[in-house]
Amino acid sequence: DAGVIQSPRHEVTEMGQEVTLRCKPISGHDYLFWYRQTMMRGLELLIYFNNNVPIDDSGMPEDRFSAKMPNASFSTLKIQPSEPRDSAVYFCASSSRGGTEAFFGQGTRLTVV
Amino acid sequence: AQSVTQLDSHVSVSEGTPVLLRCNYSSSYSPSLFWYVQHPNKGLQLLLKYTSAATLVKGINGFEAEFKKSETSFHLTKPSAHMSDAAEYFCVVSGVSGGSYIPTFGRGTSLIVHP
Repeated sequence: DAGVIQSPRHEVTEMGQEVTLRCKPISGHDYLFWYRQTMMRGLELLIYFNNNVPIDDSGMPEDRFSAKMPNASFSTLKIQPSEPRDSAVYFCASSSRGGTEAFFGQGTRLTVV
Repeated sequence: AQSVTQLDSHVSVSEGTPVLLRCNYSSSYSPSLFWYVQHPNKGLQLLLKYTSAATLVKGINGFEAEFKKSETSFHLTKPSAHMSDAAEYFCVVSGVSGGSYIPTFGRGTSLIVHP
């Protein structure tokens, strides 16, 4: 397996634009996590899915953020409208079951200007 | 509820000297514990994991960690630091929360290795 695949690797957008980040988890994994990493706050869990169902989205900072997992092999994190303070590295991770290690993608570095 | 405290935000060592990165955790259930490493502008790579088997866990690149339940600690060590070990290290606890396992990250420890 190629591991967790995220796209794009880098995204630069203007304030107010919609941004969509994509993630393909490892095949067979049934947990998927979205994290945000900033210098100020470290790694924050935004939302996670189990078997494509959102379980806990309490980490999503605002209603501008939304995430979907339409099938077992694809998830999106959308920010609409984007703001400069959304600039961060966004990581997607997947795991095969509870308590096992999570495998991380390479991240998407988002810059909102 | 669960949480992780990495006791040092930065650790500075000389090449060839021992490394100690400290981690304490809190969990309502018997947790799984992990250490991840992140090199600059890279993703996170698993170093080692504890999942209720042997309390002394060996990982990649000569790192190891010891699970001490009485101290709720999971410190990461390496006998001799290399320049390539310079990176950010994250301690992670994964325990049951609301019926599901959620990995919770510490704030990270930046390891600086001097020649």
